[in-house]
Amino acid sequence: GAGVSQSPSNKVTEKGKDVELRCDPISGHTALYWYRQSLGQGLEFLIYFQGNSAPDKSGLPSDRFSAERTGGSVSTLTIQRTQQEDSAVYLCASSPNPVAGRRSYEQYFGPGTRLTVT
Amino acid sequence: AQKVTQAQTEISVVEKEDVTLDCVYETRDTTYYLFWYKQPPSGELVFLIRRNSFDEQNEISGRYSWNFQKSTSSFNFTITASQVVDSAVYFCALSRGFKTIFGAGTRLFVKA
Repeated sequence: GAGVSQSPSNKVTEKGKDVELRCDPISGHTALYWYRQSLGQGLEFLIYFQGNSAPDKSGLPSDRFSAERTGGSVSTLTIQRTQQEDSAVYLCASSPNPVAGRRSYEQYFGPGTRLTVT
Repeated sequence: AQKVTQAQTEISVVEKEDVTLDCVYETRDTTYYLFWYKQPPSGELVFLIRRNSFDEQNEISGRYSWNFQKSTSSFNFTITASQVVDSAVYFCALSRGFKTIFGAGTRLFVKA
């Protein structure tokens, strides 16, 4: 079946502009994650959605970052007033219904969106 | 606090050599899960394996094997008879529930 898809694959924007990154998770997966991966670095957790529960936004680096998930499926990560340090690859992942305190499932990642802020 | 350390930044081997990627973790939880992911040059992370904290049995899958030792908080990954296609960045990760902490990754170069 179809995997996680992300769009655009590449985005170049000028400093100060807003950008929106899109993620389509695997159908039926209730959990959706956003991560940021800077060049040569590991993955930095940004935000997590689980079903209709309130998202865990604890990883968002500033109030310029926000995300929403409509209808429990597609998610959009928005970065306002982009800065050069926002340049990175933004990865989205989904997994089937992991519940805190219970079985934790592996995550399936999309190809990422490479954001370059000039 | 949870932490995952992959001390090896880069490893370079010649094809057919065996290679072990180290992963050391820190957690105060008694129930947790450990993962390995592979990120090939194409960029898309691929899940390789998951272990829970109550199952220390080592696992072998083809040329891949994993050694989980709670006594040393380690979850090491060995590739036997490495191949050029194994060249990638490998990430070890730790989670309890939804939040997953990733190590910094180990970049493996396998030369023909």
